[in-house]
Amino acid sequence: AQKVTQAQTEISVVEKEDVTLDCVYETRDTTYYLFWYKQPPSGELVFLIRRNSFDEQNEISGRYSWNFQKSTSSFNFTITASQVVDSAVYFCALSEVDSSYKLIFGSGTRLLVRP
Amino acid sequence: SAVISQKPSRDICQRGTSLTIQCQVDSQVTMMFWYRQQPGQSLTLIATANQGSEATYESGFVIDKFPISRPNLTFSTLTVSNMSPEDSSIYLCSCERDSSYNEQFFGPGTRLTVL
Repeated sequence: AQKVTQAQTEISVVEKEDVTLDCVYETRDTTYYLFWYKQPPSGELVFLIRRNSFDEQNEISGRYSWNFQKSTSSFNFTITASQVVDSAVYFCALSEVDSSYKLIFGSGTRLLVRP
Repeated sequence: SAVISQKPSRDICQRGTSLTIQCQVDSQVTMMFWYRQQPGQSLTLIATANQGSEATYESGFVIDKFPISRPNLTFSTLTVSNMSPEDSSIYLCSCERDSSYNEQFFGPGTRLTVL
């Protein structure tokens, strides 16, 4: 069965610190997609990244980077030099080709960046 | 990215009444999804809505409680019927940019409070 685990419920850091949000997934499919979304206090879900199961290259986008490791079924998200505006709930999600691409979300990690 | 709007953005309703939420996409999309986010929780898929066919509901959700319409490729509605306080949640619609890209974008959500 498919499952996404975000073990960190809440993380608090001081501005400019680096922070890594963990995501571990379970799936029996060989073709699947992994996502990260940001949900700021306004409530809107902001798409951050999509990664397919055949692409294990790490990705960097500005202060954001993602580390995908199939061997450990993990898709971790790192924010470098965190800023107060990064404060939000971050969700990791999985979709499988065999499940019509519906998203299975993790429980989310609330990140608080203090000035 | 697709632009998705939802109406209403929020509502306060009385127990036993029904509310219809509208979701409008600025381009034609094949698949639309409806999610529920209960207070402090993650997102759970209610149903998948394809144009021209009946919606497909996830376990724990039934058509009588959450009827869905999908009259064309840019619009869908979700009705929350015979509401109780337990239905107080954020309801979000989402769509894929296209099926080959599997990149889901979300509307701003409808924040529902049932008294």
